[in-house]
Amino acid sequence: DIQMTQSPSTLSASVGDRVTITCRASQSIGRWLAWHQQKPGNAPKLLIYLASILQTGVPSRFSGSGSGTEFTLTISNLQPEDFATYFCQQSHSYPLTFGGRTRVEIK
Amino acid sequence: EVQLVESGGALVQPGGSLRLSCAASGFTFSDHYMDWVRQAPGEELEWVGRSKHKAERYTTEYAASVRGRFTISRDESRNSLNLQMDSLNSEDTAVYFCVRASGGPNTPFDSWGQGTLVTVSS
Repeated sequence: DIQMTQSPSTLSASVGDRVTITCRASQSIGRWLAWHQQKPGNAPKLLIYLASILQTGVPSRFSGSGSGTEFTLTISNLQPEDFATYFCQQSHSYPLTFGGRTRVEIK
Repeated sequence: EVQLVESGGALVQPGGSLRLSCAASGFTFSDHYMDWVRQAPGEELEWVGRSKHKAERYTTEYAASVRGRFTISRDESRNSLNLQMDSLNSEDTAVYFCVRASGGPNTPFDSWGQGTLVTVSS
C-alpha cells in the first residue's frame, strides 16, 4: 500500500498569512494527487487535482505543486473561510489512500 | 448540481449486517467511478471500495480490511450506489461517505456526500 504522510497535523496562522502543507508518498505516484478541504459538519470539497490543477470555482490563492513522492498545498493570503481541515489523496493505485489531516486554525 | 445523499446508517450489533445507500443526482451516474470512504472517530479517512463505471461493467475493488465482508453494487434504475456490510465488527464503526470520482481510472474524488454514521456495538 502507498502510505501518505502529511504534515503538519496542526497549523496556526493569521488572516493574510501564507501557509504550506506537505504530503509525502511512500513511493512515486506521479502526479496522481488531490487535495481536499473539509469544514466541520460539511462534506469534503476537492481543491486541487493532478497535483497542481485548481478545481473549478476554487479561489486562486490555493495552489499545489510536486510530483513523484513530495507534494505541497499552499494557501496564499489566508482568508477566514480557509480555516478548516485539509487532506491529500492519491489515486495512483489501489488501495486509494489519504494523508493524515492538517487542521489550519486561527492563531 | 451533483448531489450524493447517503442513508442507512444505524447502530448494529457485532456480527450483524447493514446496507447503506447513496442516492446520486445531477450527473450521468453510469459514467463515473463511485466509491465508499469511511472515517472512524478521531481517525484518518479510509477508502472502502469502488464501483467502476458502466463501460467497465461496474466491476468492483475493495480495501483488504473489508474484502469478503462488504459488497458494493449499483441500481441503475434508481441512480443508487449501495454498500452491503456483513460480519460487522467494532472497527467498522465510522461515518461512511459516498464519493464520486470525476471520471474513470486515477481520477480524483470530486464530489462527496455528507456521510452516514454506522456504529457497531453491543
